[in-house]
Amino acid sequence: GENVEQHPSTLSVQEGDSAVIKCTYSDSASNYFPWYKQELGKRPQLIIDIRSNVGEKKDQRIAVTLNKTAKHFSLHITETQPEDSAVYFCAASTRTGRRALTFGSGTRLQVQP
Amino acid sequence: SQTIHQWPATLVQPVGSPLSLECTVEGTSNPNLYWYRQAAGRGLQLLFYSVGIGQISSEVPQNLSASRPQDRQFILSSKKLLLSDSGFYLCAWKLQGNKPQHFGDGTRLSIL
Repeated sequence: GENVEQHPSTLSVQEGDSAVIKCTYSDSASNYFPWYKQELGKRPQLIIDIRSNVGEKKDQRIAVTLNKTAKHFSLHITETQPEDSAVYFCAASTRTGRRALTFGSGTRLQVQP
Repeated sequence: SQTIHQWPATLVQPVGSPLSLECTVEGTSNPNLYWYRQAAGRGLQLLFYSVGIGQISSEVPQNLSASRPQDRQFILSSKKLLLSDSGFYLCAWKLQGNKPQHFGDGTRLSIL
């Protein structure tokens, strides 16, 4: 089955700096890659997603890149703000099989004011 | 628009007691439904998923079970809770195909 690895497990940046979180996946049939943000005690919320026919997607300060050949994808947050502090999860899924997302282990991002 | 409801929000149960957590989705039909568990400070563990009424797939062996008696209702149950069942339980739904998955607000379960 699919295996998703996520790095780093914790990340501390200064307000205004950029943050990058990286994930690798094992199943070459995976074709959908969402990112979720989870604040303390809250539910994970979708912040951006990308499909395998696209190499990059941007939404204001957030961007995701996908390298299908290397089987890795990354989340980029620019001009970080204290409210970006949260745990971020990457995930991957295939069109068939479990029909469920396989999640990475999460990255705790701390933005220092 | 679609909404997902989970209840209760918090629950404290003694070891050996039964459990029933309920999740309902509104505003869509024939969704895929999921139950996840999240231990404190950890990732998301998929417990069960369902692609239709009465169709349940279990991801990990455990003393929990799931049922889908109606199209938009998903129930997580246990006959006898263990201490290790403590955690944050999240229900989620998605449409068929490669679509985003959306989570409910979760139930925080503490076993004493």
